[in-house]
Amino acid sequence: DTEVTQTPKHLVMGMTNKKSLKCEQHMGHRAMYWYKQKAKKPPELMFVYSYEKLSINESVPSRFSPECPNSSLLNLHLHALQPEDSALYLCASSHRQGLNTEAFFGQGTRLTVV
Amino acid sequence: QKEVEQDPGPLSVPEGAIVSLNCTYSNSAFQYFMWYRQYSRKGPELLMYTYSSGNKEDGRFTAQVDKSSKYISLFIRDSQPSDSATYLCAMSVGNQFYFGTGTSLTVIP
Repeated sequence: DTEVTQTPKHLVMGMTNKKSLKCEQHMGHRAMYWYKQKAKKPPELMFVYSYEKLSINESVPSRFSPECPNSSLLNLHLHALQPEDSALYLCASSHRQGLNTEAFFGQGTRLTVV
Repeated sequence: QKEVEQDPGPLSVPEGAIVSLNCTYSNSAFQYFMWYRQYSRKGPELLMYTYSSGNKEDGRFTAQVDKSSKYISLFIRDSQPSDSATYLCAMSVGNQFYFGTGTSLTVIP
């Protein structure tokens, strides 16, 4: 099973709303990632968790708040977003930080901020 | 200079053609090389990965890495309309991943 599952698939939210994106993997991977992808652009790294601890934050605005409750789950809490935050949000996982390996992506959550 | 360079295309080929997709990179520390296929509005799907120079084949797909030239390629034989997608190359050192901009491919029936 090389599946990373993201929910919801689509999300429309207002600028004053609070919502959360969820990601789950059961491959035993200990590194998990959030990426943001705009149309016709490559994924941009937002956060990396390694062994459930935040190891990389790519200077992401505080309106995005990641959380890793356990080794299989990753959340991204959203609050007071802007229309320019509309994008495809991708979760990925890999074996563990520091080990050369491939990353597996989920299908993404398409977020629209109105 | 970007870490990874990839021609964005678009590339349009007839069904059955051999497709060649390429990326160059500048960081000699990259150890792991991947190709992802991404359909419109979907997440990237890992197609192939390799960590050594040379060729790796999987069905109609062949990944080629030339570390001395810092050049990687993906070949698709007998291309099908279902291969129409954006192809992203990616490279990693440790768990840091660096992506090309993606090449948009259309296979015409």
